[in-house]
Amino acid sequence: DAGVTQSPTHLIKTRGQHVTLRCSPISGHKSVSWYQQVLGQGPQFIFQYYEKEERGRGNFPDRFSARQFPNYSSELNVNALLLGDSALYLCASSFTNTFVGELFFGEGSRLTVL
Amino acid sequence: AQSVTQLGSHVSVSEGALVLLRCNYSSSVPPYLFWYVQYPNQGLQLLLKYTSAATLVKGINGFEAEFKKSETSFHLTKPSAHMSDAAEYFCAVTGGSNTDKLIFGTGTRLQVFP
Repeated sequence: DAGVTQSPTHLIKTRGQHVTLRCSPISGHKSVSWYQQVLGQGPQFIFQYYEKEERGRGNFPDRFSARQFPNYSSELNVNALLLGDSALYLCASSFTNTFVGELFFGEGSRLTVL
Repeated sequence: AQSVTQLGSHVSVSEGALVLLRCNYSSSVPPYLFWYVQYPNQGLQLLLKYTSAATLVKGINGFEAEFKKSETSFHLTKPSAHMSDAAEYFCAVTGGSNTDKLIFGTGTRLQVFP
C-alpha cells in the first residue's frame, strides 16, 4: 500500500509569491494534518482536517490556509511568502481525528524562499 | 498547556552501547506521549507511544520508554546501539483532545560510532 505522498518534494520561490503544497493520505485515512519543520527544530502544527472540516489550527498567520477534498487529499496554501517560511512541510494522515491513532507522515515538501 | 523538553540536542554513543535520550513533559491533563524518529531526508516514523496503559512502553527497533509521572519524564532507551539508529529523535505530547495536534520537542540527533 502506498504511504502518504506529498508534492512537490522540493521547490524554490521568491518573497511575495504564493505556494501550493499537496498531500495524498493513506487509502482509508480521513484525517490530514500539516506541520512546518524549520531546520534544526521540531515540527510545528499548522492545521488538521477531518472529513473535509478544519478540526485544529496552530499559531500561524492567515497567510496559511488549507483545505481537504472529497477524496481526503489536501492542499496547503501559503500567500505572500517570507524568508522565514523556508522549511520542510510535512503532511500526516490518520484513520481517526484523535491522537489515539498513529500519525503516518509523508517525506515532506522542502520549500526555499529567496 | 502541553510542552516537551528534550535535554541534549546531540548524543553520541559507540555501537553496542546504551542509548538514552531524555524527554520531560509538561501537561495540564493526563498526557499521551510519543517518540518519533526521522532519518535524513525522510518524514517522521512512530517509534512508540504512551496512552495511559502500561508505563513501560516497547516500540520498534528495540527501543522502549518509561513513563514516570513523579519525574514528568518519558526517556527513550535502547540497550545496544546499532549504526542504523543514527537519526533525529523527537519526543511529542498531545495538544488536546479530538485533534491530531502534536507538540514536538526540538529533537535530539543521535550519532553512533563504530
